[in-house]
Amino acid sequence: NAGVTQTPKFQVLKTGQSMTLQCAQDMNHEYMSWYRQDPGMGLRLIHYSVGAGITDQGEVPNGYNVSRSTTEDFPLRLLSAAPSQTSVYFCASSYGELAGVVGELFFGEGSRLTVL
Amino acid sequence: SQELEQSPQSLIVQEGKNLTINCTSSKTLYGLYWYKQKYGEGLIFLMMLQKGGEEKSHEKITAKLDEKKQQSSLHITASQPSHAGIYLCGADVKDTGNQFYFGTGTSLTVIP
Repeated sequence: NAGVTQTPKFQVLKTGQSMTLQCAQDMNHEYMSWYRQDPGMGLRLIHYSVGAGITDQGEVPNGYNVSRSTTEDFPLRLLSAAPSQTSVYFCASSYGELAGVVGELFFGEGSRLTVL
Repeated sequence: SQELEQSPQSLIVQEGKNLTINCTSSKTLYGLYWYKQKYGEGLIFLMMLQKGGEEKSHEKITAKLDEKKQQSSLHITASQPSHAGIYLCGADVKDTGNQFYFGTGTSLTVIP
């Protein structure tokens, strides 16, 4: 099983450029989320989705957009990249069967983004 | 996140020594999870705790949950170089919708 697949693994952008980080899962998980990981700050939640057509903001949503048109895919868009968005990004998914409970998260391998 | 406080931030131990990592929540939890991350890689699920007093073990790693204190500890016995990495606690926090929070992580180095 592929699990959670993120692409690309590495990306270098110039300030102001736009890009999309792709995330796909093949486990039929309802819940999907994006985190960023910065040194000394752990993982911070950017956006999440409890099912197709439903998205919501996490702790650090500014500068990022998401959509969830299918159960499998949850892309993260940077509309105008800034150096502060240099980070490692992780996509994660879970069954999320119970209201208010996320449960065990399954993670992708991460995408390392550098904004110059 | 502010919801989860993890300590210490880093640990350097000699191989064979025991160590403990703590994670405290400021809010009531549905569940507390421990993950390990090898440097430059994704997160690997270690174990989940849901009930007060619950204790789980995986090889030489044991985790406990104190529901009254909303605190969990991760204990590694007789550490090995293979235990090196970043340990993160994560939690389903009540009354926050479907937001899953993580602590700031503990970087563990094991010296052979």
